[in-house]
Order: sequence, then C-alpha cells, then structure tokens
Amino acid sequence: AQSVTQLDSHVSVSEGTPVLLRCNYSSSYSPSLFWYVQHPNKGLQLLLKYTSAATLVKGINGFEAEFKKSETSFHLTKPSAHMSDAAEYFCVVSDQGAGGSYIPTFGRGTSLIVHP
Amino acid sequence: DGGITQSPKYLFRKEGQNVTLSCEQNLNHDAMYWYRQDPGQGLRLIYYSQIVNDFQKGDIAEGYSVSREKKESFPLTVTSAQKNPTAFYLCASSISPTGTYGYTFGSGTRLTVV
Repeated sequence: AQSVTQLDSHVSVSEGTPVLLRCNYSSSYSPSLFWYVQHPNKGLQLLLKYTSAATLVKGINGFEAEFKKSETSFHLTKPSAHMSDAAEYFCVVSDQGAGGSYIPTFGRGTSLIVHP
Repeated sequence: DGGITQSPKYLFRKEGQNVTLSCEQNLNHDAMYWYRQDPGQGLRLIYYSQIVNDFQKGDIAEGYSVSREKKESFPLTVTSAQKNPTAFYLCASSISPTGTYGYTFGSGTRLTVV
C-alpha cells in the first residue's frame, strides 16, 4: 500500500529566505509524485509532478522538487520565499494498488507561513 | 476555458436531510474523484470513477453515494447516514485513470450542518 508523510505540519520562513517542505513516501511500484498548493477556501493547484523522467522537477512560481528513490523522498524547495507563497502544500503519490487501480494518496499537508 | 465546476460553493444541511453536491468537468477526463477535507487531516477519498457507469468506494464512503451516468458529471450525495458531514468537499478529475498527468481540482463546496 502507498502512503505519504509530510514531515512538518507548519513551516515558518521570512520573506526572501529559502523554503524546504519535506515529503517521504512509500510505494510498491513506480509512483507518480506531485506537489499541490491550496490557498484558503480554494481548490488545489498543481505545482509540479514527477513521472519517471528527470529526477529534478521544476514547477510553477519558482518551486522545484527532487525525486530521491534511495531515500523515498520528494522534498519541495524554493530559493526565495514570497509573501504570496503562504498557503497549504500537499504532497501526493499515485501508484497502482492491489486491485490494479491508480489512486492518489495525499499527505496531511504543510502550512507555509511567510513573515515580512 | 476547460475546468471543473463545483456547485454550490456553500451549502447548509439540516439534520436528517440528504443533499447533493454537483461536479461538472469539460476537460474530457475519464477519471473523477471526490475528496473530503477536514483541518489537519489532508484529503480523504470518498469515491472515485475511472469510467462512465462505474465507480468504486474510497476510504470513507459510508454515508455517501455517487453516480456517473455521463462522462462530464459526477454528483455526490451526502445522506442522512453521514453523521458528521460538515467539511470542505473537493472534486477532481484526471485525463487517464493512472493519474500520470496529474489531477485537476474544482474550487470546492463547504457543507455545514445547521
């Protein structure tokens, strides 16, 4: 069975400093991995995705993530935080389950707080 | 523009009532999903459908029902059997059942029991 662990429920940074949001996963096969962002009372927007191509994935708004199979990690980074980055971030894994269906599994989310 | 439309944005339910949340997509996506979001719990899968006229239970299907009579529509009914329905509900779709290309989400419906 697949699972996702977001290691921090809250991350607080100052504007202009680097952002690191951590995600570890477990999967039986070859997963697809995603990061989504959610602003208050809104739907989720795709930031980036890994689907077995390059291990360093670049996304929108300056975010990127590196797939490390040996560490089963897919951490999200950004060199310099902006106030507009304050939101909830979700790591998602999608893999083939025992019944053959691909079901996306979400982490519990990390709330990014950006201080001026 | 293509996307997913959820309606209504806010919904109030009285005790013992059934209510239906609408989810429509014009992306020609095969797969559709319903999630429930509660604070600090991430998104939990209620039901999913990978093809018209077929759907499967997710992790928390009790007290909910769905239908998939048309490719573009996947309504969710919250029945009176759902004891704690107050939550934010999100509908999603993907172009293929494998999800390789990611998932598109609607803006959500916030359901409150009054």
